[in-house]
Amino acid sequence: GNSVTQMEGPVTLSEEAFLTINCTYTATGYPSLFWYVQYPGEGLQLLLKATKADDKGSNKGFEATYRKETTSFHLEKGSVQVSDSAVYFCALTLTGTASKLTFGTGTRLQVTL
Amino acid sequence: GAVVSQHPSRVICKSGTSVKIECRSLDFQATTMFWYRQFPKQSLMLMATSNEGSKATYEQGVEKDKFLINHASLTLSTLTVTSAHPEDSSFYICSARESGVYQYFGPGTRLLVL
Repeated sequence: GNSVTQMEGPVTLSEEAFLTINCTYTATGYPSLFWYVQYPGEGLQLLLKATKADDKGSNKGFEATYRKETTSFHLEKGSVQVSDSAVYFCALTLTGTASKLTFGTGTRLQVTL
Repeated sequence: GAVVSQHPSRVICKSGTSVKIECRSLDFQATTMFWYRQFPKQSLMLMATSNEGSKATYEQGVEKDKFLINHASLTLSTLTVTSAHPEDSSFYICSARESGVYQYFGPGTRLLVL
């Protein structure tokens, strides 16, 4: 089956620190990969996406590269801000599955001053 | 960008009553809508997929008679939690898809059953 594995949190960083949240996946086909962010008390927002191998998704200073050889889609940001504190979900979907998303368990990021 | 709204954002009800949650796509036509449930500090669990004008497809283990889904138009889907009990308390999130693979999520509805 399809699955997404994320590093366990919480991740606590000081402002301006470098962020990496690991995400690996298993899939029966060629998935599209996503990172979603959930701020406290809110629904999910699409942060970035990549639809094929070697694609790099980027948004708001966050980046993730679709690595087929390592089945990974790690999220990175060079300098985090307090406002980045949220829960980050890695997810995948396969063509022909009616766009059903398979989510990882989420990683909580806490950024302090 | 695509906007999905949910109403209400928060609801408290007594055990045994039914609660309806609306999910609307505001600026696009959603051919497919999804309903998720999220427990505290956990990931989202897909409950069901609904296509406009047809019956919803429920995931394994989700009671279709308990969680009634109606996708009456291309911009509206409703989830009704029937005879709610405290264990139904959760955060319910909908998402909508126009075409392609991208889903746009609503802000969620927090249900508390007393």
